[in-house]
Amino acid sequence: QKEVEQNSGPLSVPEGAIASLNCTYSDRGSQSFFWYRQYSGKSPELIMSIYSNGDKEDGRFTAQLNKASQYVSLLIRDSQPSDSATYLCADSGGGADGLTFGKGTHLIIQP
Amino acid sequence: SQTIHQWPATLVQPVGSPLSLECTVEGTSNPNLYWYRQAAGRGLQLLFYSVGIGQISSEVPQNLSASRPQDRQFILSSKKLLLSDSGFYLCAWSPTTSGEIQETQYFGPGTRLLVL
Repeated sequence: QKEVEQNSGPLSVPEGAIASLNCTYSDRGSQSFFWYRQYSGKSPELIMSIYSNGDKEDGRFTAQLNKASQYVSLLIRDSQPSDSATYLCADSGGGADGLTFGKGTHLIIQP
Repeated sequence: SQTIHQWPATLVQPVGSPLSLECTVEGTSNPNLYWYRQAAGRGLQLLFYSVGIGQISSEVPQNLSASRPQDRQFILSSKKLLLSDSGFYLCAWSPTTSGEIQETQYFGPGTRLLVL
């Protein structure tokens, strides 16, 4: 069975610092990877998607993918209190199949 | 732009009662549609997905069923709810997949179900 593993946290980071979130996946056939942010009581919202090895940057967010190590990470620069949320990592084997999610990492940005 | 709606937002139901949750998408045609459940202490679990009208794939054996009577409508049902059906039910859509790459999925606001 496909699995996505994340450290549940909480991960506490001072405001203005870099938050680093990590994720590993079990299926070597996975081709698509996603980071979602979920505030308490709300539905997940997309942060970034990544499909190729290397880094992908979007504003304060950088996603990193290493398929050889089956590892995905998300860096948040200049962390803000509004970044405090649970971050969900997900992967997909492709096509129209659904996503496999990790249980999420709870991030707390300390003012 | 595309919009996804879910209702009701919250629901409290007794054990053994029926269930019907509805999801509709606006602003796109022939989307892929998905039902997920998020239970306390567990990650998001895929329940069903659909690539077209009347086409339903089930991921987890359970007492739930799904239907897609129209292109942009996805319904989750149960004839008799169990206590273990409590959770946060999320509908998601993605553009029609043109190749092997999974397109991004976008989530609706969710329905919080409590079975007593």
